[in-house]
Amino acid sequence: GENVEQHPSTLSVQEGDSAVIKCTYSDSASNYFPWYKQELGKRPQLIIDIRSNVGEKKDQRIAVTLNKTAKHFSLHITETQPEDSAVYFCAAISNTNAGKSTFGDGTTLTVKP
Amino acid sequence: NAGVTQTPKFQVLKTGQSMTLQCAQDMNHEYMSWYRQDPGMGLRLIHYSVGAGITDQGEVPNGYNVSRSTTEDFPLRLLSAAPSQTSVYFCASRSGQVTGDEQFFGPGTRLTVL
Repeated sequence: GENVEQHPSTLSVQEGDSAVIKCTYSDSASNYFPWYKQELGKRPQLIIDIRSNVGEKKDQRIAVTLNKTAKHFSLHITETQPEDSAVYFCAAISNTNAGKSTFGDGTTLTVKP
Repeated sequence: NAGVTQTPKFQVLKTGQSMTLQCAQDMNHEYMSWYRQDPGMGLRLIHYSVGAGITDQGEVPNGYNVSRSTTEDFPLRLLSAAPSQTSVYFCASRSGQVTGDEQFFGPGTRLTVL
């Protein structure tokens, strides 16, 4: 089955700096890659996603890049703010795997004011 | 729309007890899933359903049963609770099996097994 590895597990940045979180996946059939933000005690919420036919997608301060050849994708947050502090999860989904989602173990991002 | 709802929010069980975690969605979604989330780990898939009457196992199905008699409801049953099942449980739904549909999560159930 699919295996998703996420790095780093913790990340601390100064307010205004950029943050980058990377994920690698194993199943070349995976074709959809969402990113979720989970605040303490809350449910995961989708913040951005990318499909395998796209190399990059941007939404204001958040961007995601995908390298299908290398099987890795990354989340980029620019001009970080304290409210960006949360746990971020990547996931990979494949149509050939009954559409099941495989998640990374998460990255705890702390933005220091 | 209430979205995805789960009950209860918190539950404490003794080893060997059984219980059912409830999940419902009002978005007419075909695809529903149950995940568990342990500290320092991502969400692991327990069971999923691609439509009413159809369920299948995920990554960590042992000790859990599911059924899907209606599109709206997808309960998760713990047959004989064990301390290893202490976790936060999330139910999720999305429109269909086709990748690219946004997945919506319920608020979670925090379960402690003593």
